[in-house]
Amino acid sequence: DAKTTQPPSMDCAEGRAANLPCNHSTISGNEYVYWYRQIHSQGPQYIIHGLKNNETNEMASLIITEDRKSSTLILPHATLRDTAVYYCIVPDMDSNYQLIWGAGTKLIIKP
Amino acid sequence: NAGVMQNPRHLVRRRGQEARLRCSPMKGHSHVYWYRQLPEEGLKFMVYLQKENIIDESGMPKERFSAEFPKEGPSILRIQQVVRGDSAAYFCASSPGNQETQYFGPGTRLLVL
Repeated sequence: DAKTTQPPSMDCAEGRAANLPCNHSTISGNEYVYWYRQIHSQGPQYIIHGLKNNETNEMASLIITEDRKSSTLILPHATLRDTAVYYCIVPDMDSNYQLIWGAGTKLIIKP
Repeated sequence: NAGVMQNPRHLVRRRGQEARLRCSPMKGHSHVYWYRQLPEEGLKFMVYLQKENIIDESGMPKERFSAEFPKEGPSILRIQQVVRGDSAAYFCASSPGNQETQYFGPGTRLLVL
């Protein structure tokens, strides 16, 4: 089973920041949190990952709480092309780093 | 640097035929993962390979499915005697090493008639 829980869907207005939450209350101290997204009919796209510090790249920012039990992915200026299913994943270190995919959050960006 | 390549992108087979799916990892990546996605579901792990070795095939059905990653050339996922239930999208991911970020290809969509 996936180690993470996410809301099934969210809406966001175009141009606004999209904040996608994820709970991972059973995460271990050396486990990373990864975010991927899947645009309809395409392969999953890596977005960002982090351990305990906040991370930022050209796509997004990742905010991890101090206790590491939850995180938030931030898309600072959402566009229509950001409409996708977003997956928060903690790879299974006991199983060769398998990615165990939950249902994700379907993010719909509205004009 | 080209990303992960998969071919064919679409494959149609009749029941009982064989399907061969190919995956060329990103340059410099020697680890390959295969995942299967049924419609409206998340991806499910199938198999993890390094060059010339199968590391973990715990997610792959014991019958009819096999995978290889030879010293030269792409990784191959082979499905023998396909059935309608094999219809799915098959995604390959590669990483430079163990416990590193996986990057995905565009997938092969298999349709079994």
